[in-house]
Amino acid sequence: DVKVTQSSRYLVKRTGEKVFLECVQDMDHENMFWYRQDPGLGLRLIYFSYDVKMKEKGDIPEGYSVSREKKERFSLILESASTNQTSMYLCASSQDILPEAFFGQGTRLTVV
Amino acid sequence: KQEVTQIPAALSVPEGENLVLNCSFTDSAIYNLQWFRQDPGKGLTSLLLIQSSQREQTSGRLNASLDKSSGRSTLYIAASQPGDSATYLCAVETSGSRLTFGEGTQLTVNP
Repeated sequence: DVKVTQSSRYLVKRTGEKVFLECVQDMDHENMFWYRQDPGLGLRLIYFSYDVKMKEKGDIPEGYSVSREKKERFSLILESASTNQTSMYLCASSQDILPEAFFGQGTRLTVV
Repeated sequence: KQEVTQIPAALSVPEGENLVLNCSFTDSAIYNLQWFRQDPGKGLTSLLLIQSSQREQTSGRLNASLDKSSGRSTLYIAASQPGDSATYLCAVETSGSRLTFGEGTQLTVNP
């Protein structure tokens, strides 16, 4: 079974902190994605990556950056956390041949 | 811009009932459509993937259909059980493996 693992289920950070959310997949998938999910707004794509060291902006990249140094790992970085970044963050991966997306368990981030 | 709508937003049914969840999308130029399940506070679990050349997919008590030309998909759940209670999301893939999600249907199956 494909496994996508996010490093934390719950995080509480202070305003202005630099925050790292880590995601690892074990199926050699080319594509990796970061979404945030908010009530009334659904899932929105922040950043995605097709390959190592490649990154593409999604629909709401402002205030975020990403890093993909290895194929299996995709990190989301909040450069200076703000309260409006309090959300559920979801990582996903997929492969090109059969593009079924697999998600991690989510990280509930609270910025105080 | 692709938009995905799911109706109804919430549904409550008695155990054993057959039910249909609806998903519509505005741009028919999709590569595939995927249905997911999400339990409260958890990530998404993939249920069914229908590629654009297919019309339906089945897995156990679940059957998903796709009518690309009309921009519609349905998820049929047979003989519903309390364990089916969750939020069901549909998502369409357009270009570059990007998924656009609906806001989901929150299903409650009452014992």
